[in-house]
Amino acid sequence: KQEVTQIPAALSVPEGENLVLNCSFTDSAIYNLQWFRQDPGKGLTSLLLIQSSQREQTSGRLNASLDKSSGRSTLYIAASQPGDSATYLCAVGNSGNTPLVFGKGTRLSVIA
Amino acid sequence: DAGVTQSPTHLIKTRGQQVTLRCSPKSGHDTVSWYQQALGQGPQFIFQYYEEEERQRGNFPDRFSGHQFPNYSSELNVNALLLGDSALYLCASSMRDRGNEQFFGPGTRLTVL
Repeated sequence: KQEVTQIPAALSVPEGENLVLNCSFTDSAIYNLQWFRQDPGKGLTSLLLIQSSQREQTSGRLNASLDKSSGRSTLYIAASQPGDSATYLCAVGNSGNTPLVFGKGTRLSVIA
Repeated sequence: DAGVTQSPTHLIKTRGQQVTLRCSPKSGHDTVSWYQQALGQGPQFIFQYYEEEERQRGNFPDRFSGHQFPNYSSELNVNALLLGDSALYLCASSMRDRGNEQFFGPGTRLTVL
């Protein structure tokens, strides 16, 4: 059974810092991995999707990496801003049409 | 493109009642999945619909049922509501056999009193 863990559970940083959020999964035979952002009480916004054959994906100030063999992914946020404050969720799919398995998320606060 | 839409936004019910939540997928998507998210937790998979049939199901009791219509929209029904059913219910849509990228709606907040 796939299990996804996100560390830390919460993080508070001053504006302008670069930061890394971590995600680990127990079964390395994944199909893909998605990072999401969730604002309080809202739905999920897809940030980055990494297929199993890829090592990283970039979008603006965000960069996600994937190391399948070690069961890890990281989300790097450059030059953090107060608007980045949200919960970041990592989710893995074990095959093409299977449901996503989520971690509990990292709650990020960027202080101005 | 309207993206994934869900209705209603919020709902308050009492124990024992029944509720129906609705979801319209992103244009061009044919697969709908439902997730339950309790406060402070990650979403948990309930079930997935494709071609109007339930294809996969998570660890949820039979009180949770669903339906998919020919236009790909979907409903989630919960019978005999319990206090523990209070959660954010999320709908996600995707295209079958196209990389499994899932797009989520804004969710329905269900409160059971």
